[in-house]
Amino acid sequence: GQQLNQSPQSMFIQEGEDVSMNCTSSSIFNTWLWYKQDPGEGPVLLIALYKAGELTSNGRLTAQFGITRKDSFLNISASIPSDVGIYFCAGQLGAGNNRKLIWGLGTSLAVNP
Amino acid sequence: GAVVSQHPSRVICKSGTSVKIECRSLDFQATTMFWYRQFPKQSLMLMATSNEGSKATYEQGVEKDKFLINHASLTLSTLTVTSAHPEDSSFYICSARHPYNSPLHFGNGTRLTVT
Repeated sequence: GQQLNQSPQSMFIQEGEDVSMNCTSSSIFNTWLWYKQDPGEGPVLLIALYKAGELTSNGRLTAQFGITRKDSFLNISASIPSDVGIYFCAGQLGAGNNRKLIWGLGTSLAVNP
Repeated sequence: GAVVSQHPSRVICKSGTSVKIECRSLDFQATTMFWYRQFPKQSLMLMATSNEGSKATYEQGVEKDKFLINHASLTLSTLTVTSAHPEDSSFYICSARHPYNSPLHFGNGTRLTVT
């Protein structure tokens, strides 16, 4: 099925560093979502973006909905060990209750204390 | 916030048996729930959309007779893996959306191991 281009695939950083990851698509989305998944658990919503150009923060996390509606980025500032996990972007197509998500392949983040 | 509960979190079964996984929306009514499957180190793959009171909609390549979905109430959807085989071993995750325009919230997943 269709998937988003998410990069980087993995990152290994030092505690305290900032992190940036992004997703791009050939399709236009009306919503961008960022999730974090810990091992053996379901994804947890971090940030939802609903409008082109929107910049939204959630604590140390900041995400933006690209102006072209075909891309989004997620930044994590001052990383800490509990930021370790896999981060997924997802773009939402269509309207109504059955609208589907198109997923990125994930960015695996490792933080060295 | 919206809470989605999934049970069991882990199940081991023998080849040929059936396994039922439950997904509940705890603090909201969900007319639609989604079932995903995830292989190690891969992204989520949508299997089917579960609609309360009607038949589920399956994605291409997903066998509806193999993965039975029942959405009998506004707070419960079940996925039954029938006649399970080792290749059905995977991480199954359900999700639901509340309210109408909110993003998806996910259960904690079920790790199925078929021996």
